Amino acid sequence: DAGITQSPRHKVTETGTPVTLRCHQTENHRYMYWYRQDPGHGLRLIHYSYGVKDTDKGEVSDGYSVSRSKTEDFLLTLESATSSQTSVYFCAIQSSGSSVAQYFGPGTRLLVL
Amino acid sequence: QKEVEQNSGPLSVPEGAIASLNCTYSDRGSQSFFWYRQYSGKSPELIMFIYSNGDKEDGRFTAQLNKASQYVSLLIRDSQPSDSATYLCAVNAGGTSYGKLTFGQGTILTVHP
Repeated sequence: DAGITQSPRHKVTETGTPVTLRCHQTENHRYMYWYRQDPGHGLRLIHYSYGVKDTDKGEVSDGYSVSRSKTEDFLLTLESATSSQTSVYFCAIQSSGSSVAQYFGPGTRLLVL
Repeated sequence: QKEVEQNSGPLSVPEGAIASLNCTYSDRGSQSFFWYRQYSGKSPELIMFIYSNGDKEDGRFTAQLNKASQYVSLLIRDSQPSDSATYLCAVNAGGTSYGKLTFGQGTILTVHP
């Protein structure tokens, strides 16, 4: 499982509330990614990080922010949750070496009412 | 817009047959190619990656890459009911997009006894 955990695994929240999802890795990987997965859209990149305090936007970053203050933790924040952000969120790490292969955490199911 | 296209299926094959999954990509500069398997309600799991034109075999799985045709495929020999899942193709462009994967929407495979 590449030593990746995500918390919470399930969350129900209300529109307009802030939500923070946590991704934790134990193997000191430099690159970390947040994706969302929705029917009909597949996996889409939200934000990624290439080191502590180094982050950048992905394809669908509006309404999301991230922070990485430690190598092992990558946080995704929905600043004011909307129903369109109901989704399954996956964190991934990129393995060391040349393959750029990514390994995924177990996911967080988020329902915004 | 970099695109990765897969036939959504479902692709249904009998147990013991060869399943052939296909993927095309739009960015001719793409460098590396990945196949993931995703069981319902679970996270994507890396099966194989391939960089060079030709075939790469790993057990019952063979990845095939043809950069001239911008085409990558996955063959599953001796298909088993446990292979029933959604198969995701992912492409990395390299260069400034290093480490950022673009995913297809996935092909649903059903292996029936």
